Amino acid sequence: QSALIQPASVSGAPGQSITISCTGTYNDLGTYNLVSWFQHQPGKAPKLLIYEVSKRPSGVSSRFSGSKSHRTASLTISDLQAEDEADYYCCSYAFDYTPSYVFGTGTLVTVV
Amino acid sequence: QVQLVESGGTVVQPGRSLRLSCVASGFSFNSYGIHWVRQAPGKGLEWVAIIWHDGSHEYYIDSVKGRFSLLRDNSKNTVHLQMNSLRDEDTAMYYCARDQMSGTTFMDVWGQGTTVTVAS
Repeated sequence: QSALIQPASVSGAPGQSITISCTGTYNDLGTYNLVSWFQHQPGKAPKLLIYEVSKRPSGVSSRFSGSKSHRTASLTISDLQAEDEADYYCCSYAFDYTPSYVFGTGTLVTVV
Repeated sequence: QVQLVESGGTVVQPGRSLRLSCVASGFSFNSYGIHWVRQAPGKGLEWVAIIWHDGSHEYYIDSVKGRFSLLRDNSKNTVHLQMNSLRDEDTAMYYCARDQMSGTTFMDVWGQGTTVTVAS
């Protein structure tokens, strides 16, 4: 199972919006709306930001939003803030004879 | 509070075995599947394995099939990851995460991780 493809890095100024893409295949994003997004900061546990494409868990800022079109999912961070600097990963359920999960390659977000 | 705590990580020689543990608290453990996810130094997150809430099903990434296995003890709110025939490429931080797996699937609570270093 190959990793979902994400840009290595994305940057933006405070207050701007950025979008991170996540491209998969027929066996994962192309078939299932079971994509999640995680924020991972150094020394911390990954934090769930989005599940089922666009749903936000309780307590996650509305500045984070998700969408999907065909085999590409996207995470948008609006009103970018310094605290948003982190690695971001998408993750999708996949099925190819057996269930599995596949993470994206990860995107480093820098607030410039 | 809802919590997962991993333990068991250490330095181990190639070819040896190691067992990691994930202990849960603050929620109905027997209602959740448990994933193991790892991150090698300088690399991204990689899904490793999942065990169903009742231990009835387990699935693994191809690179660990036949070497890693999961054991679940719902009476002790614990999942163990038994790692045999360890390789250099198994060096990573290992996280466990819960998944409600009820009509959907996502990892909503993660532990802080435990570090495994495979080196001679």
